[in-house]
Amino acid sequence: GAVVSQHPSWVICKSGTSVKIECRSLDFQATTMFWYRQFPKQSLMLMATSNEGSKATYEQGVEKDKFLINHASLTLSTLTVTSAHPEDSSFYICSAPNREAYNEQFFGPGTRLTVL
Amino acid sequence: AQSVTQLGSHVSVSEGALVLLRCNYSSSVPPYLFWYVQYPNQGLQLLLKYTSAATLVKGINGFEAEFKKSETSFHLTKPSAHMSDAAEYFCAVSDRGGSARQLTFGSGTQLTVLP
Repeated sequence: GAVVSQHPSWVICKSGTSVKIECRSLDFQATTMFWYRQFPKQSLMLMATSNEGSKATYEQGVEKDKFLINHASLTLSTLTVTSAHPEDSSFYICSAPNREAYNEQFFGPGTRLTVL
Repeated sequence: AQSVTQLGSHVSVSEGALVLLRCNYSSSVPPYLFWYVQYPNQGLQLLLKYTSAATLVKGINGFEAEFKKSETSFHLTKPSAHMSDAAEYFCAVSDRGGSARQLTFGSGTQLTVLP
């Protein structure tokens, strides 16, 4: 089946630095990708919808200047956490819709971000 | 807005016992409904989905769920639990439509299987 990859799988950074997370659809094209954040023992919360060739759509309460999203190609979306702080430590998961069944999504394995 | 409620953040069952994880949705129009499983530090894997065909949906690993409009429910069941079923389970909902739709997740249920 379709595969979505994320890189890196985990990252540790110092407070104030920026971290880039990549989400790739490996064997299919995705004009739309979704970014979720999951805090420990909690559910997934949608952060933003990434659109190829246009600006991302952010959910209420998500700072667009802090979480920069770039969907530069049909197989790659990136999430950059700028000036990361410890409260940004979380599990970030991306997903891409199944083009044969738009109601279904393929999820990446997630990226564990720890900000010291 | 669409929402789902999962009753019980933790469920424990003995190996071989029935698994029942509850999910209720709120929507005036029957949405698409999903159950996902998440193992520690991993992404989500689709167990099954309801898209308005059969109300009893069979998924992978022996799981099934029944859509009950009168109860606005989509509970997940498995007749006999296995140790490998221990994981976090999420119910999710999305709007109907011809383009990609975001998912709204429930709060999750941690399933523990006791030997």
